[in-house]
Amino acid sequence: NAGVTQTPKFQVLKTGQSMTLQCAQDMNHNSMYWYRQDPGMGLRLIYYSASEGTTDKGEVPNGYNVSRLNKREFSLRLESAAPSQTSVYFCASSEGIGYYQPQHFGDGTRLSIL
Amino acid sequence: KQEVTQIPAALSVPEGENLVLNCSFTDSAIYNLQWFRQDPGKGLTSLLLIQSSQREQTSGRLNASLDKSSGRSTLYIAASQPGDSATYLCAVNSGGSNYKLTFGKGTLLTVNP
Repeated sequence: NAGVTQTPKFQVLKTGQSMTLQCAQDMNHNSMYWYRQDPGMGLRLIYYSASEGTTDKGEVPNGYNVSRLNKREFSLRLESAAPSQTSVYFCASSEGIGYYQPQHFGDGTRLSIL
Repeated sequence: KQEVTQIPAALSVPEGENLVLNCSFTDSAIYNLQWFRQDPGKGLTSLLLIQSSQREQTSGRLNASLDKSSGRSTLYIAASQPGDSATYLCAVNSGGSNYKLTFGKGTLLTVNP
């Protein structure tokens, strides 16, 4: 029962470096999401993909790009990492974007930018 | 803008005690409210989802209530166990779509043996 798998689990980057966070789900869900979780801030939506082939900005999209590679995979890219992007990143999926459908979360990627 | 507040930020109780976690929100025009559990170093696990037309939902020892008019929800945990120790978050859906969730900052619950 893999559910939502995120890689890597931990990463340390230097300011200005780029990297891609990977997310894959095996539940045949249509919708996928990227969040960041910061102390004292709660979870905030970065980008989401309502269905394969579509992506949209969430609350805090600046500094990030996403790719919905196929139905299973949704990646998040930091083109030029900044210390303000130090955070825990969570990927989630749901059957659709309908409000009655619960989201399933991965275990997160802990990212530090020095 | 919807704001979600969870009080207390942390709670420590002895095993076996019944307890209540609180969640309040500023805009009562919501579609549903969800309670999640987050274990250290892990993602969120959905516990209960209450639709705006419902007053409460139950799952095992958990009972969540919703009072839309007052902007409040409570999560009641009966006969708490050390395994219930985790951070509990509530999330309000006020946009009618799954990408419109507003999360609270959570309550860190510790159940002592």
